[in-house]
Amino acid sequence: QVQLVQSGAEVKKPGASVKVSCKASGYTFTSYYMHWVRQAPGQGLEWMGIINPSGGSTSYAQKFQGRVTMTRDTSTSTVYMELSSLRSEDTAVYYCALPYDYGDCWAFDIWGQGTMVTVSS
Amino acid sequence: QSALTQPASVSGSPGQSITISCTGTSSDVGGYNYVSWYQQHPGKAPKLMIYDVSNRPSGVSNRFSGSKSGNTASLTISGLQAEDEADYYCSSYTSSSIVVFGGGTKLTVL
Repeated sequence: QVQLVQSGAEVKKPGASVKVSCKASGYTFTSYYMHWVRQAPGQGLEWMGIINPSGGSTSYAQKFQGRVTMTRDTSTSTVYMELSSLRSEDTAVYYCALPYDYGDCWAFDIWGQGTMVTVSS
Repeated sequence: QSALTQPASVSGSPGQSITISCTGTSSDVGGYNYVSWYQQHPGKAPKLMIYDVSNRPSGVSNRFSGSKSGNTASLTISGLQAEDEADYYCSSYTSSSIVVFGGGTKLTVL
């Protein structure tokens, strides 16, 4: 079955960087775009960006431009999201999300389990 | 890009119907049929409930339905059940080729 498994929780200091991984299985990795969405504690969902695992092209939300980098490793079917210059407001659960089954690149039917990133001095 | 506007909370009794609105602009909700709705229980990942305005993924109860009029999309839940108590988020593709979410609506089943 289609599955996304993310890396474990992270605690980082302000100004540091974090790299979260999302390992995909159960489908052809290069055939489907992957998105990243985050959720701060008690807050709503926030779209961060999208990566095309086939060619590696990316598009990021303006808010994260210059601080976020999404990459992929086709040999391990893994996508990565790296966020730099971390501040306390970046404390959140980060999800990878896959539009897999319904022919709509913008409807996420498969989600990773989430990775909690805590930014604290 | 501003977030889509949802009511902070709605409530209903078991068996009743409720509707959650999601208001955007002609650059997002009004301009494309790429509106989705997600259900999220505490501590869980979101679950897709509606895609492309009104389509239900397999396995989602037909008590959930979606619609759109102009710049406002709506999610209706009929025959409310205790298990429907959750947070609900709408999302839309936009003219900037990005996704924008609503602020979320907390549904309380009385």
